[in-house]
Amino acid sequence: SQQGEEDPQALSIQEGENATMNCSYKTSINNLQWYRQNSGRGLVHLILIRSNEREKHSGRLRVTLDTSKKSSSLLITASRAADTASYFCATGLMNRDDKIIFGKGTRLHILP
Amino acid sequence: DTAVSQTPKYLVTQMGNDKSIKCEQNLGHDTMYWYKQDSKKFLKIMFSYNNKELIINETVPNRFSPKSPDKAHLNLHINSLELGDSAVYFCASSPGLTVDQPQHFGDGTRLSIL
Repeated sequence: SQQGEEDPQALSIQEGENATMNCSYKTSINNLQWYRQNSGRGLVHLILIRSNEREKHSGRLRVTLDTSKKSSSLLITASRAADTASYFCATGLMNRDDKIIFGKGTRLHILP
Repeated sequence: DTAVSQTPKYLVTQMGNDKSIKCEQNLGHDTMYWYKQDSKKFLKIMFSYNNKELIINETVPNRFSPKSPDKAHLNLHINSLELGDSAVYFCASSPGLTVDQPQHFGDGTRLSIL
């Protein structure tokens, strides 16, 4: 069964609006990462949040982590056309430190 | 300079053939990975190597054989290709084995089996 599940599967918003994507997971984690994938390209690392952190910022990105609810959210503020991509969360499990497990991703489309 | 480069970018071949995909990273990383991304964008780890040593073999059929001649290269050879092997294969690298480090991905090899 899937460790990480992003929600929604797809999201379309107007340029300038904020976009929020959620990730829920099943087992305890050491950390959680968010990646972006543009069409036809590889994944690009955005941000890593550790299990003892609750919030992290990087530019227009804000990530939160709620370990009690086993969920994380990625907020992109003031969205731009260039933010159109798929976004994946990836979890590093508590009892397994050699691999991360990716969710199925959220496809974000920014409308001009 | 591309940090993680894979070749070829596209691979179209007949069922039953054998093919190889090559990956090189110039980041000085110790750990390299192969992932498979299916048509629904689900990304699943296949193998990882740390300093040329196999670490993860994630129940991949033995038709898939990775090879790491040195820590900057990780190649993937696939024998007797099947229709279900059609996917995008990504190579990635990270500084070390622990999962609290970002992974750097190549742009993928799109494999299509006819």
